[in-house]
Amino acid sequence: DIQMTQSPSFLSASVGERVTLSCRASQNINKYLDWYQQKLGEAPKLLIYNTNNLHTGIPSRFSGSGSGTDYTLTISSLQPEDVATYFCLQRNSWPYTFGAGTKLELK
Amino acid sequence: QVQLKESGPGLVQPSQTLSLTCTVSGFSLTSYNVHWVRQPPGKGLEWMGRMRYNGDTSYNSALKSRLSISRDTSKNQVFLKMNSLQTDDTGTYYCTRDEGYKRYYFDYWGQGVMVTVSS
Repeated sequence: DIQMTQSPSFLSASVGERVTLSCRASQNINKYLDWYQQKLGEAPKLLIYNTNNLHTGIPSRFSGSGSGTDYTLTISSLQPEDVATYFCLQRNSWPYTFGAGTKLELK
Repeated sequence: QVQLKESGPGLVQPSQTLSLTCTVSGFSLTSYNVHWVRQPPGKGLEWMGRMRYNGDTSYNSALKSRLSISRDTSKNQVFLKMNSLQTDDTGTYYCTRDEGYKRYYFDYWGQGVMVTVSS
C-alpha cells in the first residue's frame, strides 16, 4: 500500500497568514492527489482534486501543487473559518490511502 | 440535490456483524460509484471498499476477508456488512461517491454514522 505522510501534524497560524501543508507519498502517485477539509463533527469536504484543481465553490485562497511524491496545499490568507483538519488522499493505486492529517488552529 | 445518508445501529457487540445502509438521492447508483470510508475517533480516514456503477465491488485488502458491499438500485441503497467486529472497528462510517470516468474524486459525502463496538 502507498503510505501518505502529512506534515506538520499540527499548525498554529494567524489570520491573514500564508499557510503551507505538505503531503508526501511513499512512491510516485502521478498527481492523483486530493485534499479534504474536515471541521469538527463534520464529514470531509473536497477542496482540491488531481493536485491542483479547485473543487466547485471552494474559495480561491486554497491552491494545490506538486508532482511525483511531494504535494502541497496552500492557503494564501488564512481565515477563521479555515480552522479544521486537512487530509490528503492518493488515488493512484488501490487501496486508496489517506494521510494522517494536519490540524490547523488559529494563533 | 445530491445527498448520501448512512444509517445503522450505533452499538454492536464484539464478534458480531455490522450492517450499514447508505441511502442516496439526486443521482443514480447505475451512473456513480459509491465508497465506504471509516474514521476511528480522533484518527485518520481509511478507505474500505467500493460499489461500482455496474455492480462490481472492490475492497481494501486489510478488510477483504470480513467485508461485503452490495446494493439495491430500486431503493437507491448501498449496503455494508462487516463481520467479526472488534473494538478497533469503533468509529464513524461514511459513504461517499465518485463520478467515475476521470472524475474519481469524492465530491459528496454522507454525514457519517457513529458505530461503537462494545459489550
